[in-house]
Amino acid sequence: GAVVSQHPSWVICKSGTSVKIECRSLDFQATTMFWYRQFPKQSLMLMATSNEGSKATYEQGVEKDKFLINHASLTLSTLTVTSAHPEDSSFYICSASPGRSGGGYTFGSGTRLTVV
Amino acid sequence: AQTVTQSQPEMSVQEAETVTLSCTYDTSESDYYLFWYKQPPSRQMILVIRQEAYKQQNATENRFSVNFQKAAKSFSLKISDSQLGDAAMYFCAYRSADNYGQNFVFGPGTRLSVLP
Repeated sequence: GAVVSQHPSWVICKSGTSVKIECRSLDFQATTMFWYRQFPKQSLMLMATSNEGSKATYEQGVEKDKFLINHASLTLSTLTVTSAHPEDSSFYICSASPGRSGGGYTFGSGTRLTVV
Repeated sequence: AQTVTQSQPEMSVQEAETVTLSCTYDTSESDYYLFWYKQPPSRQMILVIRQEAYKQQNATENRFSVNFQKAAKSFSLKISDSQLGDAAMYFCAYRSADNYGQNFVFGPGTRLSVLP
C-alpha cells in the first residue's frame, strides 16, 4: 500500500515553454503533498508544501510564479514549471503521507526535467 | 530550525561485511521522528528504517539497525551482511512530530559502495 505515482518520469522541453508534473496517491488520500528538487549528487531540497483545497506554501527562495502548484483533490497534486529555462533543469520528486502520524512518507519515482 | 548532518560523503564496504553510517541532528524539540532513506541509481527514495524519538529501543529491520542516542542527537545506521544491492545514496532525515503535515529535513547524504 501507500503508492505514489509521478508522471512523467522524464521530459525534455524547449526554453520558454511550460511543463506539468503530476503526483498521484494511488491507494490513499493525501491531504498534504511535498515537492522537492534534487540537483546531481546533492540532497533533496523542499520547494513547497501542497495542501488540498488551499494555496501551497513555498520555501524561501522558490518563485511561486514559476513553480505553480495545484492540489485540487486528495489524490492529485501538480507542479507546473512555467517559462522554463535551462537552469530549471533538475530532478523533481513529490512525496505524500497516508496520514499515519510518524509514518515514513512515500515518494514518487521522480521526474527528470531537461530544458534545452 | 532543525539541521541534519552526515559527515561521511562516501563509504565503502566489502560484500557480507558490516558498515555504519553516521548521522547527527540538531533540534530543540523533544518529540520527533528520524528516518533513513535509500536512493539507488534509479533515484527512487526507499524507506529503510524509522525511529520514534520517544522510544528508547533502537529500531531494527532485518539487516538494518540504528543506534539512536537522543542526548547526543546521534542516529547511526548499521548495515549487516552487506549486499551488492545495498549500494546507494543514504539520506538521514528528521521530521517533527508536531503534526502529520510536517516535511522532512534531509542530510546531505552518504554514498555507499559495496565491493564484491
